[in-house]
Amino acid sequence: GAGVSQSPSNKVTEKGKDVELRCDPISGHTALYWYRQSLGQGLEFLIYFQGNSAPDKSGLPSDRFSAERTGGSVSTLTIQRTQQEDSAVYLCASGIAGGRGKNIQYFGAGTRLSVL
Amino acid sequence: SQQGEEDPQALSIQEGENATMNCSYKTSINNLQWYRQNSGRGLVHLILIRSNEREKHSGRLRVTLDTSKKSSSLLITASRAADTASYFCATDGETSGSRLTFGEGTQLTVNP
Repeated sequence: GAGVSQSPSNKVTEKGKDVELRCDPISGHTALYWYRQSLGQGLEFLIYFQGNSAPDKSGLPSDRFSAERTGGSVSTLTIQRTQQEDSAVYLCASGIAGGRGKNIQYFGAGTRLSVL
Repeated sequence: SQQGEEDPQALSIQEGENATMNCSYKTSINNLQWYRQNSGRGLVHLILIRSNEREKHSGRLRVTLDTSKKSSSLLITASRAADTASYFCATDGETSGSRLTFGEGTQLTVNP
C-alpha cells in the first residue's frame, strides 16, 4: 500500500486479556517504530526496529509488552494481561533511518485500545 | 520530563491570522522536525531543520532553530480553518539515534 497500515483501528478488550496490534510499514522502509499516545498527550516511544539489528526496546513500559518484526516487514505489538492504564492510541511509524536528515517518519492512523 | 515541550498548549486564532508555536528541548540534537496531527489520525511530517540551520521555509510554514537556547518556533502564515490540528516538535540526537522524542503538542484552532 501507499502508506503505513495498522489494524485493528479500534480494539476493546477486558482487563487481563492479551491483545495483538499489527503494523504494515511502507514497502522498503528499514526502520519501524511503535509509540503510545494517551489522550491529549504527546507520543511515548516504545520500541524501534532497524533492519536486522537487535531492536531498541528501551521504551517498553513493562515486561507485559513485546513486539516482533517478521521478515523485516510486518510488526506485531503484543500486550499481555492488559490493564486499564494500557488504554491509549498505539501508533506505528516507518522510515529510512540512518544518516543526518534521513529520519522522517511516516505514521499509520493508529490503533485505539480501550481496556475495560 | 519530556525532551520537547511546546507552548502554548492551546492556541485559538481567526482565519487569516498568523500562528506561532514554540518548542524547547534539553539535549543536543541532530535534527528537529515538526509534525501535524488531525483529530483521530496519525502524524504527518511538515518540515525538518538540521542543527546547523537557523531558518527554513516551506510554503506557509517558517521554522526557526536556536541551538544556543535549545528552542524552535513554527510559524504558520495566513492560517486557514484546515490548519486546525495538533502540532508536535520532535528531536533526534547523538544519544537517541534515529528514535524521535516528541513534545506534548500545541492544539491549534483556526476559526473561520
